[in-house]
Amino acid sequence: GDSVTQMEGPVTLSEEAFLTINCTYTATGYPSLFWYVQYPGEGLQLLLKATKADDKGSNKGFEATYRKETTSFHLEKGSVQVSDSAVYFCALSVEAGYSTLTFGKGTMLLVSP
Amino acid sequence: EPEVTQTPSHQVTQMGQEVILRCVPISNHLYFYWYRQILGQKVEFLVSFYNNEISEKSEIFDDQFSVERPDGSNFTLKIRSTKLEDSAMYFCASSDPYPTGKDYGYTFGSGTRLTVV
Repeated sequence: GDSVTQMEGPVTLSEEAFLTINCTYTATGYPSLFWYVQYPGEGLQLLLKATKADDKGSNKGFEATYRKETTSFHLEKGSVQVSDSAVYFCALSVEAGYSTLTFGKGTMLLVSP
Repeated sequence: EPEVTQTPSHQVTQMGQEVILRCVPISNHLYFYWYRQILGQKVEFLVSFYNNEISEKSEIFDDQFSVERPDGSNFTLKIRSTKLEDSAMYFCASSDPYPTGKDYGYTFGSGTRLTVV
């Protein structure tokens, strides 16, 4: 079945450090890939997405590139802020708009001043 | 910005009791979902609902669970006889069958934390 594996957390960084959170997936067909973010006490918010190979999703300084050859969708940000502290979830879906999402376990990011 | 609303935010219940978790999806969305997240584990799909019936469900969604859209706005998840292992954060979501723009039409609520004691 479909699955998503992401790196264990917590990831602890100082402000302005470079961030990478690894995500790899297993799926039949050609899934769409997502990163969701969950701030403390809030719901899951879509951070970025990519729907086909070599697409780059980007939002709020975060980027991730859909790599079909390595089945990966790593999340990166060049300079993190304290306000980026949250839990980040990698996810996939195999149909657009009305599909179930398969999530990774989530990676907590803690950014200190 | 439209949002999915879940109530209550936290519910404590005794083992064996029935609970109903409530959700108000985005008004023009047609697909509704429940997911859960046991503490420290991944977010797991429970059930999807379309056109007043279940369209897909996972192995977790056994006979103890049921969903209903009792009126034009609410979407509920009922757990008939709660067990300790039902303690989790439950997320409702709704989606637009014709997604456009950044949000992809798939929106989650803030969750209900269910604690079974």
